[in-house]
Amino acid sequence: AQSVTQPDIHITVSEGASLELRCNYSYGATPYLFWYVQSPGQGLQLLLKYFSGDTLVQGIKGFEAEFKRSQSSFNLRKPSVHWSDAAEYFCAGGNTGTASKLTFGTGTRLQVTL
Amino acid sequence: EPEVTQTPSHQVTQMGQEVILRCVPISNHLYFYWYRQILGQKVEFLVSFYNNEISEKSEIFDDQFSVERPDGSNFTLKIRSTKLEDSAMYFCASSKSQETQYFGPGTRLLVL
Repeated sequence: AQSVTQPDIHITVSEGASLELRCNYSYGATPYLFWYVQSPGQGLQLLLKYFSGDTLVQGIKGFEAEFKRSQSSFNLRKPSVHWSDAAEYFCAGGNTGTASKLTFGTGTRLQVTL
Repeated sequence: EPEVTQTPSHQVTQMGQEVILRCVPISNHLYFYWYRQILGQKVEFLVSFYNNEISEKSEIFDDQFSVERPDGSNFTLKIRSTKLEDSAMYFCASSKSQETQYFGPGTRLLVL
């Protein structure tokens, strides 16, 4: 069965520190992969996406993610976290070539300390 | 920048009542979706809709649920007889192609 796993439920980092949020996927073929961010009481905002090609993708707000087929991973990174980055981050996957559902991970809640 | 909009932002209803959640997808998008997120849990797929028919639905999407695109702009989710366990945030999403889905801000439904 298709699945997306986010091993870390909660992460705390200091402002200015680097960040890496983990995401692993299990799909029959390479899926489309996405990172969304959800601020408290808000909807889901797309940060970045991977379809094919360059395995390092850049997104909004200074985020990037790297697709690693060998590790079935799509980790999200940011070199220097800002207090406004505190939110919940969701990794999601979808089958290629179809208007298919997204399968979401359980999310990682990021707390930023000043 | 075009956005998906949803109304209402919050809805409180009594168990057994019907609710209709409304969404206005991005205007040139062709694929439409509903997801829900029960408090503290992950986002779950409910249904996808294309060319005026359901493309795929999850086990959650039983006979109590229905979707409709009544005109060229709206996309609705109806729950015929709400249950306590229907309390959740409901997200509408749309996509132009079979790729990136853009989400609305959600409707928080509380069933009492």
